[in-house]
Amino acid sequence: KQEVTQIPAALSVPEGENLVLNCSFTDSAIYNLQWFRQDPGKGLTSLLLIQSSQREQTSGRLNASLDKSSGRSTLYIAASQPGDSATYLCAGGNYGQNFVFGPGTRLSVLP
Amino acid sequence: NAGVTQTPKFQVLKTGQSMTLQCAQDMNHEYMSWYRQDPGMGLRLIHYSVGAGITDQGEVPNGYNVSRSTTEDFPLRLLSAAPSQTSVYFCASSYSEVDFFGQGTRLTVV
Repeated sequence: KQEVTQIPAALSVPEGENLVLNCSFTDSAIYNLQWFRQDPGKGLTSLLLIQSSQREQTSGRLNASLDKSSGRSTLYIAASQPGDSATYLCAGGNYGQNFVFGPGTRLSVLP
Repeated sequence: NAGVTQTPKFQVLKTGQSMTLQCAQDMNHEYMSWYRQDPGMGLRLIHYSVGAGITDQGEVPNGYNVSRSTTEDFPLRLLSAAPSQTSVYFCASSYSEVDFFGQGTRLTVV
């Protein structure tokens, strides 16, 4: 059974810093991986989906990578802004199976 | 375009009461799912559906029922509420492996 972890649970950085959020998974047969953003009291918004044939995806200041052999995915946020403050969750899915979610990293970007 | 709509947003139940959480989507997605989110545990899948008339259990299905009579609607029923079901519930619909989530229902069982 796929298990997904995210460390640290919380992170504070000053505005303008580049930062990396980490996601680890136990089963290297992972088929795809998705990163989400969750604002307080809100639902999840899909940010990036890395499908099995891909190693990374980019959207604006966000870049997500997937390394199946090491069991890791990273979300890179360039030039962080206070508006990036939110909880970021990753979710991994094996082929034909539902996504398994990590517990999330709560990010605070300080002005 | 409303996306995924959940009602109610907040609910307090007494132990043993039953209720239905509503979920509707207007994107014509075949796949829909229900999750619960508890502190430090991420989202856990309760039930899912791959199309009208087809439902299946997820990771934590006990105490919950679902049905899917139309593509648009996927209600979640709590049969006899227990304090352990206090949580935030999210409904999602999916297309091409990308999930679209509702705003959530915060349920407290006392």
